[in-house]
Amino acid sequence: EAQVTQNPRYLITVTGKKLTVTCSQNMNHEYMSWYRQDPGLGLRQIYYSMNVEVTDKGDVPEGYKVSRKEKRNFPLILESPSPNQTSLYFCASSLMAVNEQFFGPGTRLTVL
Amino acid sequence: DQQVKQNSPSLSVQEGRISILNCDYTNSMFDYFLWYKKYPAEGPTFLISISSIKDKNEDGRFTVFLNKSAKHLSLHIVPSQPGDSAVYFCAVRASGTYKYIFGTGTRLKVLA
Repeated sequence: EAQVTQNPRYLITVTGKKLTVTCSQNMNHEYMSWYRQDPGLGLRQIYYSMNVEVTDKGDVPEGYKVSRKEKRNFPLILESPSPNQTSLYFCASSLMAVNEQFFGPGTRLTVL
Repeated sequence: DQQVKQNSPSLSVQEGRISILNCDYTNSMFDYFLWYKKYPAEGPTFLISISSIKDKNEDGRFTVFLNKSAKHLSLHIVPSQPGDSAVYFCAVRASGTYKYIFGTGTRLKVLA
């Protein structure tokens, strides 16, 4: 089944404790992206990647890192999480940057 | 400053009637426009798209209209069904970039 998977689905952590949210797609898509969804703000793009080893900032990249060492994986790294990063995070992928995106099921992160 | 606005946070429509969801944008450099639908506890799913060279695109019950002079995008759902009840996001891409900007979403409720 073609899909985008994210792990974990739920995470509660404390300020400053480094964490990684994994994202994987099995559709051989070139483009991958991370978004956060917050009430009243919709979805905001954090980082995106056009292909392996090619990443760029979205609208809200502060406090996040990403890497794209393999085509299928695009982890989101929070080196020192803070409470304002409490949010619902979505990973997405598309065949190329110009196509519609397929979204993962989301990861709900709470930073205390 | 929000470049993409969905001014109606919610909309209720009777089953069988037309649902019209609206989206306004500020930048004339946007060249690709999409609508996504999101159910609770799921990731967004792609619905329909339109490029800036067109003013209308139809797919079954869903039609997207683009008015470039007014910088206005709308989604028409005819006839509306209870299963259409979801949050709808418009999204845009700026020409020459791989960044996507989403609106804040409109919650549609179709009443049986």
